[in-house]
Amino acid sequence: AQSVTQLDSHVSVSEGTPVLLRCNYSSSYSPSLFWYVQHPNKGLQLLLKYTSAATLVKGINGFEAEFKKSETSFHLTKPSAHMSDAAEYFCVVSDSGGYNKLIFGAGTRLAVHP
Amino acid sequence: DAMVIQNPRYQVTQFGKPVTLSCSQTLNHNVMYWYQQKSSQAPKLLFHYYDKDFNNEADTPDNFQSRRPNTSFCFLDIRSPGLGDAAMYLCATSREGGWYEQYFGPGTRLTVT
Repeated sequence: AQSVTQLDSHVSVSEGTPVLLRCNYSSSYSPSLFWYVQHPNKGLQLLLKYTSAATLVKGINGFEAEFKKSETSFHLTKPSAHMSDAAEYFCVVSDSGGYNKLIFGAGTRLAVHP
Repeated sequence: DAMVIQNPRYQVTQFGKPVTLSCSQTLNHNVMYWYQQKSSQAPKLLFHYYDKDFNNEADTPDNFQSRRPNTSFCFLDIRSPGLGDAAMYLCATSREGGWYEQYFGPGTRLTVT
């Protein structure tokens, strides 16, 4: 069965410094992996996705993630944090089947300080 | 722009009084989902429709029902809301297939008094 572990429940960075949000997954086959962001009282927005193409995936707002099969990791990075990046981030793996049931990590709350 | 729309954005209901939340989409996706999200938690899938086929998650309470009259619309009915049902309810859509992302609506915040 698939599972996702987000290694940090809270991450705090200063504006302009790099962001690293860590995610490990477990899957018995080649997974589809996603990062979603959720701002307070809003729905989830897709940042980026990996679906067995290039292992380095570029997303919106300067975010990117690297799929590392040997480490079963899919960490999210951004070179320079902006105040507007403060939000909840979910690492997600897609289950198999005709519909894509999403398996969510517990989430990482990113705080950005001036 | 194509999108997922949820109405209302905020809903207050009384304990035990039925309530209906609505979702519409302009993406023409054949799969629609309802999630419940409580504070500081990940979304929890309640059920989904694959076209008109309804699929309930095993741990979704009977108190929660859903209707999908056509491709564009989907409704979540809570027959007798309890205080524990206060949450954000998220609707999402996707194409079929595990490699496709889900598109989420803005959510409906339900308060039970």
